[in-house]
Amino acid sequence: GAVVSQHPSWVICKSGTSVKIECRSLDFQATTMFWYRQFPKQSLMLMATSNEGSKATYEQGVEKDKFLINHASLTLSTLTVTSAHPEDSSFYICSARFGGQGVATQYFGPGTRLLVL
Amino acid sequence: AQSVTQLGSHVSVSEGALVLLRCNYSSSVPPYLFWYVQYPNQGLQLLLKYTTGATLVKGINGFEAEFKKSETSFHLTKPSAHMSDAAEYFCAVSDPGTGFQKLVFGTGTRLLVSP
Repeated sequence: GAVVSQHPSWVICKSGTSVKIECRSLDFQATTMFWYRQFPKQSLMLMATSNEGSKATYEQGVEKDKFLINHASLTLSTLTVTSAHPEDSSFYICSARFGGQGVATQYFGPGTRLLVL
Repeated sequence: AQSVTQLGSHVSVSEGALVLLRCNYSSSVPPYLFWYVQYPNQGLQLLLKYTTGATLVKGINGFEAEFKKSETSFHLTKPSAHMSDAAEYFCAVSDPGTGFQKLVFGTGTRLLVSP
């Protein structure tokens, strides 16, 4: 149980284009999902908290107009990197929160590697 | 602010040897504690977690961790390392300041297992 998928697993795009990444909870409903960014050989950096039916909450320093998050259903959150540039190249990982308040656990997707040329 | 310290960015062990990965946290309120493992180019997989109750927690793949409040530690151990254990391990705590919603991650420890 508690499986989270991401699509695509790899994406290469040209500078200036937009890229959409999907995060799905396959066997549970998730009112809260999280988006992380991970640079090579580093830890995860939380970008934003995605809440179903409401606006995402972004961490300090993360451009909300550049990283658009939509959590339209209890099983799907999307991250759109708008006007991507080479510095946006990274490994993006989502997680979905499963369980009750306080004891909930985050289950992670397999990640999406973005390369912007 | 909540913080997590993982001592040692790299730990090397021989196959069959004891694995000990260290994790210390800073919190005045006992947090919930997690260990995740990440294999190359993959997401994070939950190894084990501590919320309440028994302080010795058993997880998958033979790993276990003990919550020691007096030492603010949650070290991960495995009695006998296997080659397949080679991966990056992250300790994380849920932040009481966010209603335990957000996770704060340590910097990770890469476990190397030699034959």
